[in-house]
Amino acid sequence: EPEVTQTPSHQVTQMGQEVILRCVPISNHLYFYWYRQILGQKVEFLVSFYNNEISEKSEIFDDQFSVERPDGSNFTLKIRSTKLEDSAMYFCASSEETNGAFFGQGTRLTVV
Amino acid sequence: AQRVTQPEKLLSVFKGAPVELKCNYSYSGSPELFWYVQYSRQRLQLLLRHISRESIKGFTADLNKGETSFHLKKPFAQEEDSAMYYCALSPSWGKLQFGAGTQVVVTP
Repeated sequence: EPEVTQTPSHQVTQMGQEVILRCVPISNHLYFYWYRQILGQKVEFLVSFYNNEISEKSEIFDDQFSVERPDGSNFTLKIRSTKLEDSAMYFCASSEETNGAFFGQGTRLTVV
Repeated sequence: AQRVTQPEKLLSVFKGAPVELKCNYSYSGSPELFWYVQYSRQRLQLLLRHISRESIKGFTADLNKGETSFHLKKPFAQEEDSAMYYCALSPSWGKLQFGAGTQVVVTP
């Protein structure tokens, strides 16, 4: 069964550094998403992406964040100048329609 | 504002007993609602969507617009049902708004 895959599974970075989280969505899916879950808190929507552009973003998704689909298979989340509060589990998801997404296994980002 | 409320953080049930996970929502339009499950150390998996009205792994959920609820039920809990369960609302464009989740522990 096709799956969304994310790399790396765990990333440790120093405060102020840039990180890129990578995702390979399911191949025939057209809608892509990033979510995050800070330890002990809800899963929160960050951004949705369709037709090579952002379709919706949350207030969390400020200028520090950007997304890209560089080559037709990968979907990346870049966080510039990471802060301690960016430490969280980041989930990529994709869907064929706007109706029920399939999630990756997550990347645990630790900012020290 | 849209909101999804799962009032129980933890639900402990005995194997073979019925289990019901509560989910209430607030949304002004016609909601699309989902249940996701996360087994230990695994990814979030789509369990049910209200529009399909299907039963997965013995679980069912009925949308009650009058009570703005989408409770998840299973008549006989199994040990393998132990997991974290999230109710989610899709207000737009595939975006999901999650509840806080309910941890289900099924004891033998």
